[in-house]
Amino acid sequence: AQTVTQSQPEMSVQEAETVTLSCTYDTSENNYYLFWYKQPPSRQMILVIRQEAYKQQNATENRFSVNFQKAAKSFSLKISDSQLGDTAMYFCALGANFGNEKLTFGTGTRLTIIP
Amino acid sequence: EAEVAQSPRYKITEKSQAVAFWCDPISGHATLYWYRQILGQGPELLVQFQDESVVDDSQLPKDRFSAERLKGVDSTLKIQPAELGDSAMYLCASSLFREANVLTFGAGSRLTVL
Repeated sequence: AQTVTQSQPEMSVQEAETVTLSCTYDTSENNYYLFWYKQPPSRQMILVIRQEAYKQQNATENRFSVNFQKAAKSFSLKISDSQLGDTAMYFCALGANFGNEKLTFGTGTRLTIIP
Repeated sequence: EAEVAQSPRYKITEKSQAVAFWCDPISGHATLYWYRQILGQGPELLVQFQDESVVDDSQLPKDRFSAERLKGVDSTLKIQPAELGDSAMYLCASSLFREANVLTFGAGSRLTVL
């Protein structure tokens, strides 16, 4: 079985500041992927960033970057220069059992960007 | 930009009634997923299809839930009879076969059972 844990139910940060969302996971698989998904209020879930477990280099997408610590099974998301549009629920997700591409999600972190 | 279509967006029903949700995935996406998201929680997989075949329905409450994808394209998720605890957002997602778990989600169908 695989699990994903997000220990920060809610966070808030001032606009233009940097914020880090935490995620830990557990899996017995060697090959897996980690994701951060964003779910804005009343809008559909969209992919923010993806990390392949076999890659040591941390993934980056513009203002979004991850800190992937494989040994610690930790996968945090850093949002730099936060914007009002970043206000959303953020879900960490794990995709393992390659070939059966279902995702296991954490419980989410509600992020509010304060003007 | 291609989207996953879902309907209805909102459904209010009384307990013991039947309810159905429809999903049309992105064209060419062989894998289709139905997730249930209870308010304040992360999505949980109900059923996964590869083309018309069920790959995983281990978390689907089969006494009241059913899902089908007859022609390997669109899909229907049915609940009969609905119970109060079924109130949730039902999310459909699709992906290209073996594209490393990259799922595209629809906007969801929010069910309220009274």
